[in-house]
Amino acid sequence: DTEVTQTPKHLVMGMTNKKSLKCEQHMGHRAMYWYKQKAKKPPELMFVYSYEKLSINESVPSRFSPECPNSSLLNLHLHALQPEDSALYLCASSQGTDRKGAFFGQGTRLTVV
Amino acid sequence: AQRVTQPEKLLSVFKGAPVELKCNYSYSGSPELFWYVQYSRQRLQLLLRHISRESIKGFTADLNKGETSFHLKKPFAQEEDSAMYYCALSPTGFQKLVFGTGTRLLVSP
Repeated sequence: DTEVTQTPKHLVMGMTNKKSLKCEQHMGHRAMYWYKQKAKKPPELMFVYSYEKLSINESVPSRFSPECPNSSLLNLHLHALQPEDSALYLCASSQGTDRKGAFFGQGTRLTVV
Repeated sequence: AQRVTQPEKLLSVFKGAPVELKCNYSYSGSPELFWYVQYSRQRLQLLLRHISRESIKGFTADLNKGETSFHLKKPFAQEEDSAMYYCALSPTGFQKLVFGTGTRLLVSP
């Protein structure tokens, strides 16, 4: 299995809702990432987990809460989002600092209403 | 700070023509550089990495440290090369990718 799988593919949520995005990989990668991509813009890093520990938080607002339950799973918990948080959320994984690059999921298209 | 610049938003060529997508970077250390490609309705996928010096789908990219560039080249473009191309930099020792703004390549028949 050489894929990163993200669910759901699409999500519409209200500003008072709580929802979670899920990401799974079975490549034995020990680094997992959340990126945010706005329309016609490049992906921007949000969080990095290395060996199931949060190693990078790019000053992301606390309404986004990442979780790494085990080495194969990565969640992004969403609460009290704003309409400007609507974007494509990408999960990625890599073996680590091995210079081989990251594998990306298809993304979750999030719309906040 | 790290920065990746892709000066062209859109590059339009005819099938069989040579292609060069430009990428310049700004980083004080020795970065790892990558090219990622996103075909229509598909996920972002790794195309090339500078460390491997490989050729994928006819594309090559050479790191020029003097000019801080990592341009992507292909001698004869194909229609199936039409996609969004992102140049990305990974700072030494950091597990993150800093992306350029991307160049959309359009290859016409």
